[in-house]
Amino acid sequence: EVQLMQSAAEVKKPGESLRISCKGSGYSFTTYWINWVRQMPGRGLEWMGRIDPTDSYTNYSPSFQGLVTISTDTSINTAYLHWSSLKASDTAIYYCARNSGEGAGGLDVWGQGTTVTVSS
Amino acid sequence: DIQMTQSPSTLSASVGDRVIITCRASRSMNSWLAWYQQKPGKAPKLLIDEASNLQSGVPSRFSGSGSGTEFTLTISSLQPDDSATYYCQQYDSFIYTFGQGTKLEIK
Repeated sequence: EVQLMQSAAEVKKPGESLRISCKGSGYSFTTYWINWVRQMPGRGLEWMGRIDPTDSYTNYSPSFQGLVTISTDTSINTAYLHWSSLKASDTAIYYCARNSGEGAGGLDVWGQGTTVTVSS
Repeated sequence: DIQMTQSPSTLSASVGDRVIITCRASRSMNSWLAWYQQKPGKAPKLLIDEASNLQSGVPSRFSGSGSGTEFTLTISSLQPDDSATYYCQQYDSFIYTFGQGTKLEIK
């Protein structure tokens, strides 16, 4: 079964760093780009950026450029989303999702979401 | 970037109704458009990509159409299980964007 399994919920303080993960299984991990999508409480979906696991090429939404870093470790079929200094406004559910085609396509497989709560 | 505007934001309809959700792009684009269904507490589910390509396992009452700047998601005969929020998403440009969502309620 093709799936993306995300790391557990996190509770952090403002200014702390955080890395959440997304592990792919049941398919060739390097064939499909991985995207990250934010959903703030009670709000819609926001595309953050994506990565090509083959060469770690990334592109980011201007809204998130410089605020987060997307990376992969192909030896363990895992993608990451990293913050160096969290803010309260980063409180949200974060989903990873796979492009359905090589380099493009709708997002056909989604992780279950990681809830990040940032509070002092 | 291409901005996507969905309408309506909320919609209330009865079982058996035909429902149409519209997504307008800020500029003309190719048919690299997807539709998703999201139920509370769940991850989104891809229904349609390439504007009209129905995903495997998705009921045939769902269909997508459109081109240029206007795209539509149609539910031909609304069922109780269709209560959800629906999002369009363009992947025509290098920077993907979602519409703001349409919350569909069953009367």
